[in-house]
Amino acid sequence: DAGVIQSPRHEVTEMGQEVTLRCKPISGHNSLFWYRQTMMRGLELLIYFNNNVPIDDSGMPEDRFSAKMPNASFSTLKIQPSEPRDSAVYFCASSIPGKRGETQYFGPGTRLLVL
Amino acid sequence: AQSVTQLGSHVSVSEGALVLLRCNYSSSVPPYLFWYVQYPNQGLQLLLKYTSAATLVKGINGFEAEFKKSETSFHLTKPSAHMSDAAEYFCAVSEGQGAQKLVFGQGTRLTINP
Repeated sequence: DAGVIQSPRHEVTEMGQEVTLRCKPISGHNSLFWYRQTMMRGLELLIYFNNNVPIDDSGMPEDRFSAKMPNASFSTLKIQPSEPRDSAVYFCASSIPGKRGETQYFGPGTRLLVL
Repeated sequence: AQSVTQLGSHVSVSEGALVLLRCNYSSSVPPYLFWYVQYPNQGLQLLLKYTSAATLVKGINGFEAEFKKSETSFHLTKPSAHMSDAAEYFCAVSEGQGAQKLVFGQGTRLTINP
């Protein structure tokens, strides 16, 4: 059974460019989470969705960041325009909602470098 | 808001020795607690979790953790370290609506010496 799939695995871009990260959750998982990992701030939750609806986006850094989930099998995280401080590893995770303390399954991450 | 503190950003043990990684949490409600492991250049993988059942929780790869409410702790242990245990370990507490949001500690990097 395929796990959470993220693409691309690595992205190098220049400051000011638009970056789009993609995630395919595990089939049947209706909750999807986007995290960012940096040395300085550790692992931070950016936003999460239940049944394609954003529930909590309080972790989204600023208006340059946006996330969508057009259907149950696909989500994007977009940064426009990108800045060097956005360099990080971005993880997507999915889980079955409804039960408290449900396990989140993480993808392999996208390593983003903004020059 | 809930929070997690992991004592020691780096822990080094010898192969075959006891592994002890410390985690203390802060929560105003009964917590759900997790330990995840991250190997280099990979995502996080669940080791074990506490969801208000047995206070001693057994996980994968021989790890276990004990929930101690009086100490607000959830320390991770393994009786005998193996070289393959070298990784970064994260403790997390869930909060928010439906306890879906995970708040992670800063992580502890475990090194195993031969």
